[in-house]
Amino acid sequence: EAQVTQNPRYLITVTGKKLTVTCSQNMNHEYMSWYRQDPGLGLRQIYYSMNVEVTDKGDVPEGYKVSRKEKRNFPLILESPSPNQTSLYFCASSTRASNEKLFFGSGTQLSVL
Amino acid sequence: RKEVEQDPGPFNVPEGATVAFNCTYSNSASQSFFWYRQDCRKEPKLLMSVYSSGNEDGRFTAQLNRASQYISLLIRDSKLSDSATYLCVPWHNTDKLIFGTGTRLQVFP
Repeated sequence: EAQVTQNPRYLITVTGKKLTVTCSQNMNHEYMSWYRQDPGLGLRQIYYSMNVEVTDKGDVPEGYKVSRKEKRNFPLILESPSPNQTSLYFCASSTRASNEKLFFGSGTQLSVL
Repeated sequence: RKEVEQDPGPFNVPEGATVAFNCTYSNSASQSFFWYRQDCRKEPKLLMSVYSSGNEDGRFTAQLNRASQYISLLIRDSKLSDSATYLCVPWHNTDKLIFGTGTRLQVFP
């Protein structure tokens, strides 16, 4: 089954404790992206990747890191989480960002205390 | 002006009603347009793509007005299962997709 798998689904952590949210897709998509969703602000892009070893900042990259060492995986890293990073996070992939359907993961609800 | 603007709603409509949402965009270079549907706290899913003047899929019709820079989504014969948030996404030749904040629809019996 074609899918984007995110883990964990829920995560509660404390300020400053490094964490990684994993994202994996089995569709051989070149394009992968991370979004955060906050009430009243909609989906905002954090980072995206057009292919292996190619990553670029989205609209809200501060406080986040990503890597794309393999085509299927695109982890989101928070080196020192802060409470303002409490949010619902989505990973997505597609063959291209332009006119191809975006497949989303199920989301990760992160709470930073 | 925001790049994408949507009325947040909620639009409360009875079953069987026809409802329409508008989405305005600021970048006149936008070439493709998408409507995504999102259920509460779930992932967005593509509902419709619009590449020219419009698109129709069953009860759903999307129309594009380039002169006024808006796209609309019309839902006929609303079902309870149509209750969701509808996200508008214009695209213009970049690697970024800018999502609207969404319009919430609530269909009641």
